[in-house]
Amino acid sequence: GQSLEQPSEVTAVEGAIVQINCTYQTSGFYGLSWYQQHDGGAPTFLSYNALDGLEETGRFSSFLSRSDSYGYLLLQELQMKDSASYFCAVRDRRNAGNMLTFGGGTRLMVKP
Amino acid sequence: GAGVSQSPSNKVTEKGKDVELRCDPISGHTALYWYRQSLGQGLEFLIYFQGNSAPDKSGLPSDRFSAERTGGSVSTLTIQRTQQEDSAVYLCASSLGPSGNEQFFGPGTRLTVL
Repeated sequence: GQSLEQPSEVTAVEGAIVQINCTYQTSGFYGLSWYQQHDGGAPTFLSYNALDGLEETGRFSSFLSRSDSYGYLLLQELQMKDSASYFCAVRDRRNAGNMLTFGGGTRLMVKP
Repeated sequence: GAGVSQSPSNKVTEKGKDVELRCDPISGHTALYWYRQSLGQGLEFLIYFQGNSAPDKSGLPSDRFSAERTGGSVSTLTIQRTQQEDSAVYLCASSLGPSGNEQFFGPGTRLTVL
C-alpha cells in the first residue's frame, strides 16, 4: 500500500525559512504534490514534482528525491498568512495515475 | 468560471438517519473525487469517478456509503443509517482528467451526527 510521513506540527517566526519534510512508500510512483489548507478552508494546490530537483514558485519551493523517496516544501520569508496545514500527496499507478494519497498534514504556526 | 461547489455546507443529523451530500465539479472536469477529513487529520479517500468508467469505490468505509455521478457532472454521496463516527468534513474535488494532477477542492460539507 501507500504511506506518507510528515511532521505533525512546525512553528517558526515571521520572516524565517521553514522546511516541511515528507517521506513516502508507494508502488509505481509518478510524483509528489503539496497542498495548503487554512483552518476551515479547502485544500489548494501548491506544487507538483515528478522529477528530481527543486521547483521554485515565488516564496515556496518544493524538492524531490525519487531515489530517497523523500521530498520537502520550503517556505521562505514567512508571513502570518502562511499559518496553515500543509499536506504532501503521492500520485501513483492506481487508476492510471489519477489518484492521490495524502499524508496526515503538517500544521505550521507562524509567530510574530 | 465557478469552482467546485458543495451543498449543504453544514448538516446536522440524528444517528440512524440517511444523508445526501452534493458536489458540482468544475465544468469540463472529467475526474471527481470524494474525501473525508476528520478534525485535525489528513484526507481519507472515499471514491473516484472518471468519465463514464466504473468508479473506484475502494475507499468507502462500509456498505452504508454510496455515491453516484449523473451525466458525468454532479455527484451525490449518500450515507445510510448514519453513525456518530461518520461525523467529519466531506470534501469533493475535481480535476481535468485523465492524469490531471491538480485537484480543485470544494469548500466541503461539515457533517455532525448526534
